Amino acid sequence: EAQVTQNPRYLITVTGKKLTVTCSQNMNHEYMSWYRQDPGLGLRQIYYSMNVEVTDKGDVPEGYKVSRKEKRNFPLILESPSPNQTSLYFCASSQGNEKLFFGSGTQLSVL
Amino acid sequence: GENVEQHPSTLSVQEGDSAVIKCTYSDSASNYFPWYKQELGKRPQLIIDIRSNVGEKKDQRIAVTLNKTAKHFSLHITETQPEDSAVYFCAASISNFGNEKLTFGTGTRLTIIP
Repeated sequence: EAQVTQNPRYLITVTGKKLTVTCSQNMNHEYMSWYRQDPGLGLRQIYYSMNVEVTDKGDVPEGYKVSRKEKRNFPLILESPSPNQTSLYFCASSQGNEKLFFGSGTQLSVL
Repeated sequence: GENVEQHPSTLSVQEGDSAVIKCTYSDSASNYFPWYKQELGKRPQLIIDIRSNVGEKKDQRIAVTLNKTAKHFSLHITETQPEDSAVYFCAASISNFGNEKLTFGTGTRLTIIP
């Protein structure tokens, strides 16, 4: 089944404790991206990747890191999480300028 | 960068009536405009998209119109049904690739009243 898999689904952590949210797609898509969703603000792009070893900042990249060592994986790293990074995170992938396939989301709470 | 404004933020429509959601964008170079539907607790899913070389596109009860001169585009849902209740997001892309820098609107919560 074609899908984008995110883990974990829920995560509660404390300020400053490094964490990684994993994202994997099995559709051989070149394009992958991360979004955060906050009430009243919609979906805001954090980082995107056009292909392996090619990443670029979206609209809200501060406090986040990404890497694209393999085509299928695009992890999101929070080196020192802060409470303002409490949000719902979505990973997405697509092939060319076609529709985005979203993962099921990760609800992150930073205390 | 691109800025996408979406209105209204909430919309209640009687079942069977039509619903219209409007978006404006700021960058005249934008050329790809998708609409995503997000049901409660679910992931966003593409329902329709339009490119700048087309003025209107239809898919059954859903249609999208684009006015490049005014820099706005709209989603039209006819004969609304309870399953249309969801949050709808418009988006605009300024890249020929399509999704490279996709900027979303803030969303419209559509409620269909039985």
